[in-house]
Amino acid sequence: EIVLTQSPATLSLSPGERATLSCRASQSVSSYLGWYQQKPGQAPRLLIYDASNRATGIPARFSGSGSGTDFTLTISSLEPEDFGVYYCQQRSDWPVTFGGGTKVEIK
Amino acid sequence: QVQVVESGGGVVQPGRSLRLSCAASGFIFSNYGMHWVRQAPGKGLEWVAVISYDGSNKYYADSVKGRFTISRDNSKNTLYLQMNSLRAEDTAVYYCAKEKRGYSYGESWGQGTLVTVSS
Repeated sequence: EIVLTQSPATLSLSPGERATLSCRASQSVSSYLGWYQQKPGQAPRLLIYDASNRATGIPARFSGSGSGTDFTLTISSLEPEDFGVYYCQQRSDWPVTFGGGTKVEIK
Repeated sequence: QVQVVESGGGVVQPGRSLRLSCAASGFIFSNYGMHWVRQAPGKGLEWVAVISYDGSNKYYADSVKGRFTISRDNSKNTLYLQMNSLRAEDTAVYYCAKEKRGYSYGESWGQGTLVTVSS
């Protein structure tokens, strides 16, 4: 199965700062990678699909890039509601797999 | 609006069975693939299974293959997960998710149902 490795495990930032999250795949997933946000006690929310496409209703401060094995989620200017855990997920091959997550916390 | 609501969780002994349900509304259920994803307490997300819009294709995580069965009843707008031979490591919140059409991503999620496997 395709293993997704996210880094860093934790990102401590202040509101207004730029956040850069990484997801690396154990083999190429082409552009078939998505990103989710999850807040405590809530279900995940799809942010980005197929590497760079924002899901419905997602603010423009969220952007995704990458292809092959290296992907990045960027939050251009953190808002207070952006703190939580972010997961990447590949759909290139079965089984679907998730990364271990990056926690974005308030500094 | 799109809504998916899981039910059927609870406490079950190791080796026993449990069936989860996911009631869908606000969209044409028979047009969408559906997923089950779980999250053990304090842990990350783990994909469990997917079923195509018409039920003809199903895929499973290796950790549940042979023990869990995903199914759907499009006449009832309901998704199911039959879980047999449950183990302690199956303890988790189980989410169902409506797929983004044509893509294997969870576009709309329920709030989850907790399954605890314990003697």
